Amino acid sequence: DVKVTQSSRYLVKRTGEKVFLECVQDMDHENMFWYRQDPGLGLRLIYFSYDVKMKEKGDIPEGYSVSREKKERFSLILESASTNQTSMYLCASSSPGRAGTYEQYFGPGTRLTVT
Amino acid sequence: EDKVVQSPLSLVVHEGDTVTLNCSYEVTNFRSLLWYKQEKKAPTFLFMLTSSGIEKKSGRLSSILDKKELFSILNITATQTGDSAVYLCAVAQGGSEKLVFGKGTKLTVNP
Repeated sequence: DVKVTQSSRYLVKRTGEKVFLECVQDMDHENMFWYRQDPGLGLRLIYFSYDVKMKEKGDIPEGYSVSREKKERFSLILESASTNQTSMYLCASSSPGRAGTYEQYFGPGTRLTVT
Repeated sequence: EDKVVQSPLSLVVHEGDTVTLNCSYEVTNFRSLLWYKQEKKAPTFLFMLTSSGIEKKSGRLSSILDKKELFSILNITATQTGDSAVYLCAVAQGGSEKLVFGKGTKLTVNP
């Protein structure tokens, strides 16, 4: 079974703090993704990576950065957390679509509250 | 702009009812449509549909794709309280590793 794990299920941080969210997958997937999920807005892509040290901006990258130093690990960084970044953060991984599969496997999510 | 629209946004039914969830899409270079179920945590994969008219089935859940009319439906028969969840529809596009997600349909099944 594919397993995607995230470092924390719940996190509370103060405005202005630097926040690290970690994601690890064990299926040797090339692609990794960070989403945030908010009521009424659905899943929105923040950043994704299709290889080590490669990254691309998603739909809402402002206020976030990412790091992928190893294939299995993809980190989301909030340089200076703000209250509007309070959300559920979901990590996902997948194999390249050219293999005929597009399924993304999701982690359990991190509910971040910024006060 | 690529978009995936799900309807209804929420639905409340009684156990034993049959429900139909809708997903329409307007995307460039369509490859596949995927359905996920999300309970309290991670979305879990249900189906991937690539060809029109071929029904995918898993127990009480089934789904079909219409590539001419650009939509898919997810049917759940004899609903149970355990079917209560948000159901997400997503589209994969050729030349992209990303998925375009709809906003989801929240299904509540009451006993």
